[in-house]
Amino acid sequence: GAGVSQSPSNKVTEKGKDVELRCDPISGHTALYWYRQSLGQGLEFLIYFQGNSAPDKSGLPSDRFSAERTGGSVSTLTIQRTQQEDSAVYLCASSLVAWAETQYFGPGTRLLVL
Amino acid sequence: AQKVTQAQTEISVVEKEDVTLDCVYETRDTTYYLFWYKQPPSGELVFLIRRNSFDEQNEISGRYSWNFQKSTSSFNFTITASQVVDSAVYFCALSEKGGSEKLVFGKGTKLTVNP
Repeated sequence: GAGVSQSPSNKVTEKGKDVELRCDPISGHTALYWYRQSLGQGLEFLIYFQGNSAPDKSGLPSDRFSAERTGGSVSTLTIQRTQQEDSAVYLCASSLVAWAETQYFGPGTRLLVL
Repeated sequence: AQKVTQAQTEISVVEKEDVTLDCVYETRDTTYYLFWYKQPPSGELVFLIRRNSFDEQNEISGRYSWNFQKSTSSFNFTITASQVVDSAVYFCALSEKGGSEKLVFGKGTKLTVNP
């Protein structure tokens, strides 16, 4: 079946602009996660959704970052007023239920802030 | 607090050599899961294995094997008779029952298998 998909695959933006990153999880997966991968910080957790609610937003680095999930499916990660330090690969993962289930990752969105 | 350490930043081997990637974890939870993921040059994280804290049995899958030892908080990964296609970055990760479902990753080990 189809895996996790993310769009766009690459995004170049200017400092100060807003960006939206999209994640489409595996069909039937109720849990959805966003991570960020950067050279300096490795793989960092950002936010976790169970259905449409986000029980854990502890990894969001600042209030410029927000995410939502609608219909228990597609999720959008929004970064407002982008900064150069936001440049990274943003990875989305989904799992069948939640804890202890394997998380399957999408191909990521590579964000470059100029 | 949960923490995963992969002390080997980069490893380079010649094809057909065996190689072991080390993973040491820290957790206060008695219930947790450990994972290994592979990230080839294409960039997508590929799931390899999941192991729960109550199952210390070693596992073998083809050329891959995993050694889980709670006494040393380690979950090491061995590739036997390595191949060029094994070249990738390998990540070990931990998920605590009390850790809100997130994965905590090590920094990764970059494996290069030369022909």
